[in-house]
Amino acid sequence: DQQVKQNSPSLSVQEGRISILNCDYTNSMFDYFLWYKKYPAEGPTFLISISSIKDKNEDGRFTVFLNKSAKHLSLHIVPSQPGDSAVYFCAAIPNNAGNMLTFGGGTRLMVKP
Amino acid sequence: KAGVTQTPRYLIKTRGQQVTLSCSPISGHRSVSWYQQTPGQGLQFLFEYFSETQRNKGNFPGRFSGRQFSNSRSEMNVSTLELGDSALYLCASSFSPGQGAYGYTFGSGTRLTVV
Repeated sequence: DQQVKQNSPSLSVQEGRISILNCDYTNSMFDYFLWYKKYPAEGPTFLISISSIKDKNEDGRFTVFLNKSAKHLSLHIVPSQPGDSAVYFCAAIPNNAGNMLTFGGGTRLMVKP
Repeated sequence: KAGVTQTPRYLIKTRGQQVTLSCSPISGHRSVSWYQQTPGQGLQFLFEYFSETQRNKGNFPGRFSGRQFSNSRSEMNVSTLELGDSALYLCASSFSPGQGAYGYTFGSGTRLTVV
């Protein structure tokens, strides 16, 4: 049973436009949500996170939105750059679960010049 | 500052053998977690250690085990290897558990191939 799902395995966007990556979850005990970027043969790199008490968090070109009632979060990248091309994972942590992250399956983002 | 160091980077083992992977966390980090990444199952949590104690464990068979030393370095062991254990094994460290994985940093992983 996948508790965190990224339903789009891939996304292609033109440079300069907005990239929107989506993530759905089923476990209402998730307390904290994170987005990671990953290149092949490397570990995931932290991008941005959001606590369940917020509905939006911004950091430069990256914004994460959380809709708790829909159990949905999204990552917006504006403007998209070719260097953003990578696999993006959303992850969630249940309350009082230390650093036990549950990851989605990932979305491969390709930003075309 | 040095990042999370995992050794070895690549490993080839035969079915039935056992393997030990090593992870040195960022200096000052005392929490170490392990993940398995496979094409079919994605990134899955294995276990987390803090102050030499296992705090959380994922849904993996008992062939997968780990430990943490007093200097926070961690090892994971897989016994009686199966072909399905072929994966990228990732280690992550942070100052302490909780806090929304603040400062949680991944290593580059060990690519294990079982033949």
